[in-house]
Amino acid sequence: EVQLVESGGGLVQPGGSLRLSCSASGFTFSRSRMHWVRQAPGKGLVWVSRINNDGSTITYADSVKGRFTISRDNANNILHLQMNSLRAEDTALYYCASDNSHAFDSWGQGTLVTVSS
Amino acid sequence: QTVVTQEPSFSVSPGGTVTLTCGLSSGSVSTSYYPSWNQQTPGQAPRTLIYNTNSRSSGVPDRFSGSILGNKAALTITGAQADDESDYYCVLYMGNGIWLFGGGTKLTVL
Repeated sequence: EVQLVESGGGLVQPGGSLRLSCSASGFTFSRSRMHWVRQAPGKGLVWVSRINNDGSTITYADSVKGRFTISRDNANNILHLQMNSLRAEDTALYYCASDNSHAFDSWGQGTLVTVSS
Repeated sequence: QTVVTQEPSFSVSPGGTVTLTCGLSSGSVSTSYYPSWNQQTPGQAPRTLIYNTNSRSSGVPDRFSGSILGNKAALTITGAQADDESDYYCVLYMGNGIWLFGGGTKLTVL
């Protein structure tokens, strides 16, 4: 069974940093492209970032480019999202998702990031 | 800036058929955008129903189907059930490693 478990969320002040993790199991992580998607409270889904299977190709939404860094540890089946210079508008539930044919396949349950003073 | 458009809300009677659409603020949606559909019930993580226009994810009932209708992607639910009441999000692959979600459609079954 595919499992994606996010962690690392919490309360952080504006301008602060946070590192999210997504632990994967039940599939061949090292062969899978992975994504981060976020959802602000009461709002819709927003794609954040994608990394290919070996980390050589990475893309970001304009809203996070230059502030967020996606990475992966294929030896330990973990996806990361380093978030710097956080803003109030980054407050959201952050989901990791595996990729299937240019779409999302399996989803985690999300980890909540709150940016507030 | 390109926007992916969806109906904000829709209602369907139990047993009825409903078609939700996914368009672009400029241009037409084609299979080249690899349209996919995701279902989300309140408090739950999203679940991918349809990918690559019309491929059903594992375990998704065949009453959910995807297609291109005119210049939009479409999700059709045939024989709607009470537990189909959810938010439905389409997402398009815009090329160059960029994905764009629509604003979602809140489906009510009543």
